[in-house]
Amino acid sequence: NAGVTQTPKFRVLKTGQSMTLLCAQDMNHEYMYWYRQDPGMGLRLIHYSVGEGTTAKGEVPDGYNVSRLKKQNFLLGLESAAPSQTSVYFCASSPAGGPGTGELFFGEGSRLTVL
Amino acid sequence: AQSVTQPDIHITVSEGASLELRCNYSYGATPYLFWYVQSPGQGLQLLLKYFSGDTLVQGIKGFEAEFKRSQSSFNLRKPSVHWSDAAEYFCAVAPSLTGGYNKLIFGAGTRLAVHP
Repeated sequence: NAGVTQTPKFRVLKTGQSMTLLCAQDMNHEYMYWYRQDPGMGLRLIHYSVGEGTTAKGEVPDGYNVSRLKKQNFLLGLESAAPSQTSVYFCASSPAGGPGTGELFFGEGSRLTVL
Repeated sequence: AQSVTQPDIHITVSEGASLELRCNYSYGATPYLFWYVQSPGQGLQLLLKYFSGDTLVQGIKGFEAEFKRSQSSFNLRKPSVHWSDAAEYFCAVAPSLTGGYNKLIFGAGTRLAVHP
């Protein structure tokens, strides 16, 4: 049972470089989310998707783009990385209805460092 | 705007001692309430949740939490802590009036250390 899988798990970028984080879930969940985790700030929602082909902004969307071309995949892109984007990124998924009606299932995280 | 406060950044307890982690929220109505746990290098796992009904909810790993509307609190408790409980604990809220999707707000977390 893979659950939610994130790749890569670690990445170091230089300022201005671009990259994409991939999230894949095998639970047939409708909703998917990208969070970032920073010390002392908990998790903050970047973007989310309530279904294939749909995305929406969360709490801290600036500097990030997302796509949900397939139901099982949710991609997070950084077009021009900045040191402020150094963080641990978590993908999560949940059944239709979102976190208010159930639980989120999290991946193990992707640690990104921007120099 | 909704917010979640976890007043304690770090807590250290001895193995076998009782534990209480505090969580206060700000929301106009009764929200959906959650506690998640994050072990080192791992993602978050749901411990328990409160939607409505009995204000004392039981979760996994022997944890429980009590919703107190008058205090806007949802504190997590465990009667006897095990060394494997060392982790970071996050309280989270989702607004109930809009159905709750997409707006799970996390607290900053409380890191628990357990002494043998």
